[in-house]
Amino acid sequence: GENVEQHPSTLSVQEGDSAVIKCTYSDSASNYFPWYKQELGKGPQLIIDIRSNVGEKKDQRIAVTLNKTAKHFSLHITETQPEDSAVYFCAASIRGSGGSNYKLTFGKGTLLTVNP
Amino acid sequence: NAGVTQTPKFRVLKTGQSMTLLCAQDMNHEYMYWYRQDPGMGLRLIHYSVGEGTTAKGEVPDGYNVSRLKKQNFLLGLESAAPSQTSVYFCASTGILYNEQFFGPGTRLTVL
Repeated sequence: GENVEQHPSTLSVQEGDSAVIKCTYSDSASNYFPWYKQELGKGPQLIIDIRSNVGEKKDQRIAVTLNKTAKHFSLHITETQPEDSAVYFCAASIRGSGGSNYKLTFGKGTLLTVNP
Repeated sequence: NAGVTQTPKFRVLKTGQSMTLLCAQDMNHEYMYWYRQDPGMGLRLIHYSVGEGTTAKGEVPDGYNVSRLKKQNFLLGLESAAPSQTSVYFCASTGILYNEQFFGPGTRLTVL
C-alpha cells in the first residue's frame, strides 16, 4: 500500500518567516495530494490540495508544489502568523474505481510553532 | 448543518470493558471513516465505509468492529478494550463528488 513520509516532525519559526514542510510518497499511482491543518483540540481541516496534473497551486499565503518524478510534494507558508501554529498533515490518494479519491494515506504530521 | 458530530467527547474505560463510539453526519455523504491519532503516528485508518450497509478494513482494524446501518451514522465498537487502544478517535466523511474529508471534533478514549 501507499506510504507517506513527512518531515520535519516539528518546526519553529519567527513570525513573518516562511515555513516549508516536505512529504514523499511511494505509490506512483497516487494522483491527489491534500494538506490538512489541525488546531489544538479540533479535527483536521483541509487547507489546500493538488492533483498530479498540476505542478504548483497557490492560495494567498500558502502554496503546494508537486514533483511527480521524485514523488515529492511540499507545503509552503509565507509571512507566517501566530495563528498558523498547528499540526499539519500531508496525505496521498489513488483514484478509486468510482472516480473519487476517497481513501487517504496520511503522513505523521508536523507541529508548526510560530513565535511572535 | 452540524457537519460531523461524535459522541462521546471523552471516555475512560477499564481493560476488558466494551463501548461504542457514534459518528453522525448531516451532509448526505456516502463515505465515512474512523481514524485513530496517536503521538508521533499521525492519523491511521481503522475502518471505512463506502455506503450504507458496507464496511471495509483500514490500516489498523484489529480489536475494532464497525457498522453502517444508516447512511448518516457510522459506529465504532470496542468489544474488549485494551490499554493499547488509548487514543484520540476521529470520524470523517466525504461525498462521491468531493475529495475533502470533513472531520469530527474527536473522542478522547483512555483505557486503564
